[in-house]
Amino acid sequence: ELKVEQNPLFLSMQEGKNYTIYCNYSTTSDRLYWYRQDPGKSLESLFVLLSNGAVKQEGRLMASLDTKARLSTLHITAAVHDLSATYFCAVDKRANFGNEKLTFGTGTRLTIIP
Amino acid sequence: DSGVTQTPKHLITATGQRVTLRCSPRSGDLSVYWYQQSLDQGLQFLIQYYNGEERAKGNILERFSAQQFPDLHSELNLSSLELGDSALYFCASSVRGYEQFFGPGTRLTVL
Repeated sequence: ELKVEQNPLFLSMQEGKNYTIYCNYSTTSDRLYWYRQDPGKSLESLFVLLSNGAVKQEGRLMASLDTKARLSTLHITAAVHDLSATYFCAVDKRANFGNEKLTFGTGTRLTIIP
Repeated sequence: DSGVTQTPKHLITATGQRVTLRCSPRSGDLSVYWYQQSLDQGLQFLIQYYNGEERAKGNILERFSAQQFPDLHSELNLSSLELGDSALYFCASSVRGYEQFFGPGTRLTVL
């Protein structure tokens, strides 16, 4: 059974600082996703990582994937208050086309302190 | 706005009752997925439909069922509701299983 672990679960950081959220998964997978969720809201897709060594950046967020280590990281640079949210990684292991399900990590609740 | 719509936004009902949640996928998306988000279980995959056919099943209770109609909208039916069924229910859609886009969710409260 595919398991996805995130750490830390909670993260408080000051504005302007850098930090990294880690996502480990237990078996080989096809794709890794990062989502953002604001309280009581839906999940917003941030990144889709498809292959080993993939790196994607959007503003102050950068995601990377190491499939050999089964590890993805979400790096936050010079944090600002607007980045406060819960971040989820998710992995899919597609058995065949048209049969996909996402297994989510526990989420990391990020709070940026002014 | 992801383009996925869900109704209703909120639903309050009593134990033992039955409710139906509705989802309309993004235009052109053939796959619909249902997820449950609760404090104790986190985000869990329930079921997937692709072009009207069930394709994958997760931790979906026997009291729950779903279907996808010819116009590709989907409904999730929850029956014999229990307090523990209170959760946020999300629908997501994708065109070819590449990236799933999530709807705004239905918050179900069972009293």
